[in-house]
Amino acid sequence: QVQLQESGPGLVKPSETLSLTCTVSGGSISSYYLSWIRQPPGKGLEWIGYIYYTGGTNYNPSLRSRVTISVDTSKNQFSLKLRSVTAADTAVYYCAGGYTRFDDWGQGTLVTVSS
Amino acid sequence: EIVLTQSPGTLSLSPGERATLSCRASQSVSNIYLAWYQQKRGQAPRLLIYGASSRATGIPDRFSGSGSGTDFTLTISRLEPEDFAVYYCQQYGSSPPYTFGQGTKLEIK
Repeated sequence: QVQLQESGPGLVKPSETLSLTCTVSGGSISSYYLSWIRQPPGKGLEWIGYIYYTGGTNYNPSLRSRVTISVDTSKNQFSLKLRSVTAADTAVYYCAGGYTRFDDWGQGTLVTVSS
Repeated sequence: EIVLTQSPGTLSLSPGERATLSCRASQSVSNIYLAWYQQKRGQAPRLLIYGASSRATGIPDRFSGSGSGTDFTLTISRLEPEDFAVYYCQQYGSSPPYTFGQGTKLEIK
């Protein structure tokens, strides 16, 4: 079974760029869609966007101007970059397999935006 | 953007009882594009139901989904201790964004 693991800094300063990586193991990412989803502490889930292994993307319109999702097939890794962060971007960030429904999830990583 | 409203916000029941959770959409959702997730404290969500009524791999048959149009239901026929968690519905039938409900907390009475 495919396993997903998020990694990246747990603390980001306001106005800087949040950068996370999702490493896929246990299978090839060929024909794989990968989504990023976030959850502010104590709150609900928000879909950020998805990428296909060929590089095609689709983003949440509310975040589109600040988000870039990319893929490195040689490393079986996907990346998320969120620019110009504020405290409102503090959340647990998950990567999840799929682009519509989400069958497999990483454990999530908490990113705090604070100076 | 389709808004999903879940009710109740909190449901207090005892093990062995039946749980009925509701998810209402602001506009019609194609049946095949409604999912339910379970999230336990400190864990990632787990897919329970997709296509409104199909159980995901490994999900016990006490979990069932139903509904159409704008009204969907997740039913847990006989609650086990491990079922007490937060449940989210999610629609993926229209163009992005793929939205989630705000969640229903199922707690032990």
